[in-house]
Amino acid sequence: GQQLNQSPQSMFIQEGEDVSMNCTSSSIFNTWLWYKQDPGEGPVLLIALYKAGELTSNGRLTAQFGITRKDSFLNISASIPSDVGIYFCAGQRGQNSGGSNYKLTFGKGTLLTVNP
Amino acid sequence: DGGITQSPKYLFRKEGQNVTLSCEQNLNHDAMYWYRQDPGQGLRLIYYSQIVNDFQKGDIAEGYSVSREKKESFPLTVTSAQKNPTAFYLCASSMFVVNTEAFFGQGTRLTVV
Repeated sequence: GQQLNQSPQSMFIQEGEDVSMNCTSSSIFNTWLWYKQDPGEGPVLLIALYKAGELTSNGRLTAQFGITRKDSFLNISASIPSDVGIYFCAGQRGQNSGGSNYKLTFGKGTLLTVNP
Repeated sequence: DGGITQSPKYLFRKEGQNVTLSCEQNLNHDAMYWYRQDPGQGLRLIYYSQIVNDFQKGDIAEGYSVSREKKESFPLTVTSAQKNPTAFYLCASSMFVVNTEAFFGQGTRLTVV
């Protein structure tokens, strides 16, 4: 299947620091989603992006849909201990791309640890 | 409350036994999905369904089976043919299949001994 390259794989930061992570692909995606997963739980949707160049915020989180449609970025400002978890990006090519390309493709996740 | 419910949370089975994982949603979503998650890996799609009585294989369907007899329910059976069934299984649903957000259940951790 298609691959999304998510980086970094893990991050160890101090409380109050800002965090950046990104996903890249060799293919164009028409939708980008960012999820957070707590240990032993299902992923929770944080931000959805539908237009190239779009910049969307959700509290301290900001995500951008890359202008080339091959990448997306997530930033967390002023991190707090409850930001700990795994962050996943997911992309969807959309039906216009043909066949079953409306399935979500997930990155492998970024494990975030926040030291109080 | 609207949402997706997976049960049970933890499941233990002996090798060679089939086991069925439950997934129910009351969001009135048309599309439902099953993913498998292994440590350090992203989510891999097992099966998905766009509508009642229809479902399609995902990327790793071998050793699994599903049914979609009701809009609200999409059970997954892990058969004895699945060579490495121990994993965290996640069910999700979305309004439609195309360009809409998927919402996840809390997952079922299956351990086969």
